[in-house]
Amino acid sequence: AQTVTQSQPEMSVQEAETVTLSCTYDTSESDYYLFWYKQPPSRQMILVIRQEAYKQQNATENRFSVNFQKAAKSFSLKISDSQLGDAAMYFCATNFGNEKLTFGTGTRLTIIP
Amino acid sequence: ETGVTQSPTHLIKTRGQQVTLRCSSQSGHNTVSWYQQALGQGPQFIFQYYREEENGRGNFPPRFSGLQFPNYSSELNVNALELDDSALYLCASSTIDMNTEAFFGQGTRLTVV
Repeated sequence: AQTVTQSQPEMSVQEAETVTLSCTYDTSESDYYLFWYKQPPSRQMILVIRQEAYKQQNATENRFSVNFQKAAKSFSLKISDSQLGDAAMYFCATNFGNEKLTFGTGTRLTIIP
Repeated sequence: ETGVTQSPTHLIKTRGQQVTLRCSSQSGHNTVSWYQQALGQGPQFIFQYYREEENGRGNFPPRFSGLQFPNYSSELNVNALELDDSALYLCASSTIDMNTEAFFGQGTRLTVV
């Protein structure tokens, strides 16, 4: 079965510190995309960062970066210099090479002022 | 904010009734996907529409159906509502390939009583 697992239901971090959210997945596909989405209380899913599985270089978007380990099927998100506005649910997702997104169960991130 | 609009934002229905949810698509996008997000869970793929045809379906019964219109907007219809259908329904607008970002609407919160 193709699954996405987020083992951290909740995480908290001090403002300005760094936090890493974990994600693992299981697939036999070789070509797929991986995503991290942020869902604030407004409910709208916002794409934080995207990684193409065939690219070895880890994606980076400003304060957000990923550690993509294809062999280990691991895709963690690192948030540097955490800000109050980063507080939200974070979902890891992949398309497993097809038309749909499969999401994990999410990690609730709290930022401590 | 994205250009994806969902209506209504909230809805309360009685078990056994039928409901229609609506979603506009982002300019330049030709694909709409629908997801169901139960409380405390990640979104689950319902189906996708491309060029007015269903293009992939998740593990949802036939009472979940949809439409896509020539302007690429879409409807999700659910017949014979059950209590377990209570959830946040999200639509995502994209192009058919995964090379472009999928933009999500703010969701419709459906409560079945």
